[in-house]
Amino acid sequence: KNQVEQSPQSLIILEGKNCTLQCNYTVSPFSNLRWYKQDTGRGPVSLTIMTFSENTKSNGRYTATLDADTKQSSLHITASQLSDSASYICVVSLSDQTGANNLFFGTGTRLTVIP
Amino acid sequence: DGGITQSPKYLFRKEGQNVTLSCEQNLNHDAMYWYRQDPGQGLRLIYYSQIVNDFQKGDIAEGYSVSREKKESFPLTVTSAQKNPTAFYLCASSIHSISTVYNEQFFGPGTRLTVL
Repeated sequence: KNQVEQSPQSLIILEGKNCTLQCNYTVSPFSNLRWYKQDTGRGPVSLTIMTFSENTKSNGRYTATLDADTKQSSLHITASQLSDSASYICVVSLSDQTGANNLFFGTGTRLTVIP
Repeated sequence: DGGITQSPKYLFRKEGQNVTLSCEQNLNHDAMYWYRQDPGQGLRLIYYSQIVNDFQKGDIAEGYSVSREKKESFPLTVTSAQKNPTAFYLCASSIHSISTVYNEQFFGPGTRLTVL
């Protein structure tokens, strides 16, 4: 069964600290993995995308890693800011699929950054 | 939100009423999608459309209906047959429906529907 699991469900950190969010998936055949940031009451916005051949991708203070062998990804946030408070969603795509039933969404990690 | 607008932002519905959620995009995307988001769950696909005048059911289409008469617009109607409609509804669009590195889904700001 194709699934995406994220951990932890929620996380509270102090401003300026680093944190790492985890994503494990069983989606196969794999095409790509995206991390989205979703502010409360808003739509998700893409942070990074990685394909099978990529094992790391950065976007400012956000760095995503991918281990396609173990089917694990992480999102590392460096020097957190209050504006990083949001839900972070891992989305994995099937390859060789048309239509829209080829995306699998994790339930997200709710990050709260406190001053 | 990448050229996708949704309205209204908040919507209240009485039991037994149908309501329509608006989604418009100016990105010239062929594919459009409706998702439902509930606390503690991942996004679930309601309907999607790969091209004008065509749409397909997603994983949870019961109690919902859509139309795609124009490329820019993909309204969602929540009917009285939907037994638990209170949720956050997200519309998205992409160049086409095949998920590739270069074919990101852009999301609208969402509509929060509450049944009174």
